[in-house]
Amino acid sequence: AQSVAQPEDQVNVAEGNPLTVKCTYSVSGNPYLFWYVQYPNRGLQFLLKYITGDNLVKGSYGFEAEFNKSQTSFHLKKPSALVSDSALYFCAVRDRERGGGNKLTFGTGTQLKVEL
Amino acid sequence: EPEVTQTPSHQVTQMGQEVILRCVPISNHLYFYWYRQILGQKVEFLVSFYNNEISEKSEIFDDQFSVERPDGSNFTLKIRSTKLEDSAMYFCASSEGLGVYNEQFFGPGTRLTVL
Repeated sequence: AQSVAQPEDQVNVAEGNPLTVKCTYSVSGNPYLFWYVQYPNRGLQFLLKYITGDNLVKGSYGFEAEFNKSQTSFHLKKPSALVSDSALYFCAVRDRERGGGNKLTFGTGTQLKVEL
Repeated sequence: EPEVTQTPSHQVTQMGQEVILRCVPISNHLYFYWYRQILGQKVEFLVSFYNNEISEKSEIFDDQFSVERPDGSNFTLKIRSTKLEDSAMYFCASSEGLGVYNEQFFGPGTRLTVL
């Protein structure tokens, strides 16, 4: 069964500093990987995805993520954090080998807090 | 920008009562999904729906749950006899197609509280 782990419940960063939100995954085959962000009272918003190709994926709002197959990780990064980046971040995986279905498996989420 | 909408934002019900959660997917999307998140836990897949049929469902989606697209715009999740453990945030999502290049767009969620 596919699964995702986000080891940190909360990450605190000063504005202007780089941020990293960690994610590791487990699938039987090769993964499709996603990051979503949730602002208060809003739905999950798509940030970026890894399908194939370049291990460094660039997404919305200056975020990027690096796929590392040997470490089964897909950490979310941003070179310079903004206070407006404060939100709940979810990593998700879809097992490429399953075929057919489009089910996403999510992690528990990481609350990012960016302070002045 | 088109959005997935959900109503109500918060639903309070008594144990054993039926509830219907409503969603309006993005208009040109063909695939619809329900997920839920129990407080402090993972977002969990419940069911996917295409062409008026369930295409995939999880173990959570037992006989107490049903989904329907009653008209051309709404997509509903019904829980026939709610239990305390059904208390959660329920998210509706839709996608244009099935392939991985078609992202799922999520609504803001309905918080269901079962007393």
